[in-house]
Order: sequence, then structure tokens, then C-alpha cells
Amino acid sequence: GENVEQHPSTLSVQEGDSAVIKCTYSDSASNYFPWYKQELGKRPQLIIDIRSNVGEKKDQRIAVTLNKTAKHFSLHITETQPEDSAVYFCAASYSGGSNYKLTFGKGTLLTVNP
Amino acid sequence: GAGVSQSPRYKVAKRGQDVALRCDPISGHVSLFWYQQALGQGPEFLTYFQNEAQLDKSGLPSDRFFAERPEGSVSTLKIQRTQQEDSAVYLCASSHSLAGVANEQFFGPGTRLTVL
Repeated sequence: GENVEQHPSTLSVQEGDSAVIKCTYSDSASNYFPWYKQELGKRPQLIIDIRSNVGEKKDQRIAVTLNKTAKHFSLHITETQPEDSAVYFCAASYSGGSNYKLTFGKGTLLTVNP
Repeated sequence: GAGVSQSPRYKVAKRGQDVALRCDPISGHVSLFWYQQALGQGPEFLTYFQNEAQLDKSGLPSDRFFAERPEGSVSTLKIQRTQQEDSAVYLCASSHSLAGVANEQFFGPGTRLTVL
């Protein structure tokens, strides 16, 4: 089955700096890669996703890049703000069949210091 | 519109008790997933429904775990004879999945289960 590794497990940055979180996956059939943000005690919420037919996607301060050959994808947050502080999870899924279950990484605790 | 809701939000059970966790997905969403999230970990897949059909239950940890979605909307996750290792947050997610295309999974707030 799919295995997703995520690094780093914790990341502390100063407000205004950039943050990068990296993930690798094992199953070359995976083709959908969402990123979720989870604040303490809250539900995971999708912040951005990318499909395997695209190498990069950007939404304001957030961008995701995908390298299918190397089987890794990364989340980039620019101009970080204190409200970006949360746990971020990457995930992978194969959408060719009928089960779109997500395999998650272990998460990255991002702290943005004012 | 209303998002995914779960009840109860918190459940404390004595070891050996049975519990039932409810999920109300977003109306019209075909796909429904259950995940287990241990403290400090990412969610882990338990089971998947497409309408009322349970297509994948490979993630259920043991035969003490049972899930159903009899009318293709509300789902219940039941855990029999709870054990301390069952303590976790149980997340439900729903998705308007198109054939062959994975789409965003919308998560509920979770049920935090504590087994004493």
C-alpha cells in the first residue's frame, strides 16, 4: 500500500518568512495530492491540492509543487502570518479506481512567531 | 450549506463498553470515509462507503469495529468491547466523487473517544 513520509515534523519561522514542507510517496499510481491544515482541536481543512498532470499550483501565498519522477511534493507558504500556525498534513490518493482513500503523512507543526 | 457533522463530539467509555459514533455527511455526497487520528499523528483510513455499499474496510483494526450506512447518507461506526488503544479522534469525511476522479474530502469535527 501507499506510504507517505513528511518532513520536518516541526517548523518554526518568523512572521514574513517562507515555510516549506516536503513529502514523499511510495506508490507511483497515486495521482491526487491534497494538503490539509488542522488547528488544535479542529477538523482538517483543505488548503490546496494538485493532480499528477500538473507540476505546480499556486493560490495566493500558498503553492504546491509535484515531482512525479522523484515521487515527492512540497508545500510552500510565503509571507507567513501568525494565523498560519497549525499542523499541516500532506496526503496521497489514487483516483483511478473507486476508492479515493487518503494516506496521510504524520504532519508538520508550523509555528509562526510574530 | 451545512458541513459534515459528527456526534457525540466527546465520548468517555469504560473498557469493555460498546460505543456508536454518528456521521452526517454533506447532502448528496456519494463517498463517505472514516479515519482514526491518534494524538500527534495523521488520520489513518478505516473504511469507505460509496452510497450504502461498504467498498473497503481494510483499515478496520479488528472485528470489534463495524461501520454501516444503510440508506446511503448517515453512517455509524460501532466499536464493541472498547479497549484503551481505541482512544483516538474518529473523523468522518464525505466527498462528491466523480467516477475515476478523486475530489476534496470534507471532514467533520471528529469524535474524541477516551477509553478508561
